[in-house]
Amino acid sequence: SQTIHQWPATLVQPVGSPLSLECTVEGTSNPNLYWYRQAAGRGLQLLFYSVGIGQISSEVPQNLSASRPQDRQFILSSKKLLLSDSGFYLCAWSEIAGSREQYFGPGTRLTVT
Amino acid sequence: GIQVEQSPPDLILQEGANSTLRCNFSDSVNNLQWFHQNPWGQLINLFYIPSGTKQNGRLSATTVATERYSLLYISSSQTTDSGVYFCAVLGGTYKYIFGTGTRLKVLA
Repeated sequence: SQTIHQWPATLVQPVGSPLSLECTVEGTSNPNLYWYRQAAGRGLQLLFYSVGIGQISSEVPQNLSASRPQDRQFILSSKKLLLSDSGFYLCAWSEIAGSREQYFGPGTRLTVT
Repeated sequence: GIQVEQSPPDLILQEGANSTLRCNFSDSVNNLQWFHQNPWGQLINLFYIPSGTKQNGRLSATTVATERYSLLYISSSQTTDSGVYFCAVLGGTYKYIFGTGTRLKVLA
């Protein structure tokens, strides 16, 4: 069966510091991969999605970037964090064809101080 | 782009009560999913339901794609049903659009 991992689970970082969040999927090949952000008490905002290695689509202009160095690895990065980057970051995957049902990882709670 | 609206935004129930959550969307969609976000933030898949009706235990869902809405029914609610319920629609090939959610609290 497929599983999705995210780490770290929680992170506290000062303003201006770099960020790297990692997401990996097991048990499937060539998935679509997604990064979402959820501000406290709000809905999910799609940040990036990827349909293959090195293929990244950005939905929201910001100081975040994403990379997909391997088929089942998706990384969210920032060179300099802002206070507004605080939130709950969720990675998700879906099959590239068929139902394209999405499945989510456990999330990373980021607090920028 | 497609707009997704959920109602009600907040709901408080006594344990054992039934409820109906609604998701309206503004255009034709390929897929629709319902999720439950538990207090720890985990998003749990409830239903993949682009059309028709499905049931899973005390939960069931119906999507009427031609009228652009979906309903999630919770029967005999339990305190563990508390959390936020999201619907998400697939607009296009890859991009899911989420509603703003319904926050449910079930009181013992």
